[in-house]
Amino acid sequence: GAGVSQSPRYKVAKRGQDVALRCDPISGHVSLFWYQQALGQGPEFLTYFQNEAQLDKSGLPSDRFFAERPEGSVSTLKIQRTQQEDSAVYLCASSYRPGTGANTEAFFGQGTRLTVV
Amino acid sequence: GQQLNQSPQSMFIQEGEDVSMNCTSSSIFNTWLWYKQDPGEGPVLLIALYKAGELTSNGRLTAQFGTTRKDSFLNISASIPSDVGIYFCAGRPIIQGAQKLVFGQGTRLTINP
Repeated sequence: GAGVSQSPRYKVAKRGQDVALRCDPISGHVSLFWYQQALGQGPEFLTYFQNEAQLDKSGLPSDRFFAERPEGSVSTLKIQRTQQEDSAVYLCASSYRPGTGANTEAFFGQGTRLTVV
Repeated sequence: GQQLNQSPQSMFIQEGEDVSMNCTSSSIFNTWLWYKQDPGEGPVLLIALYKAGELTSNGRLTAQFGTTRKDSFLNISASIPSDVGIYFCAGRPIIQGAQKLVFGQGTRLTINP
């Protein structure tokens, strides 16, 4: 597709439920990022992939958060045993198509709004 | 987590006025970026700055990378209704291999016609 696509756009989960959020990056982009944006705040970094390798997961808030990108394209952010404080918009971004000669800054998707009740 | 100090938090202006917002940090960054976010959308890149002292324009927008590498500002001239939204500064830490961005808290711009 032309842009970064995230699904679902909205997710309501009961506390304790597991959720999986999907990100389809721009075709050919090797870098993929996940950010968490709480209401009224700026995005906060969660994790970074280069192809299938997860090079930085320093922003994941707890071991309940897990991200993967097994084939270096689509990525899934999984949150286990959701808590109310996990309610936020989860943004995915991708960047850098090799061979273009430019390391472009990341393009963001529309995000998934997660509400834990 | 670490965030940049962005000010002001909100602005209420008349159409046609100029706007100025800034971002400061206690840490050095090697990249400064400015994004705009509309409701229900992801941030959209407006301007990217890569060198200390760099001044870059994009239409009515002008941004500068501070010489100390700890601050940046964004100016919008002759504001129009479509400028309404939330503006975020973002910096890339000067740590080898760091790709992540650190964001400010945002400046919410409201324009009275």
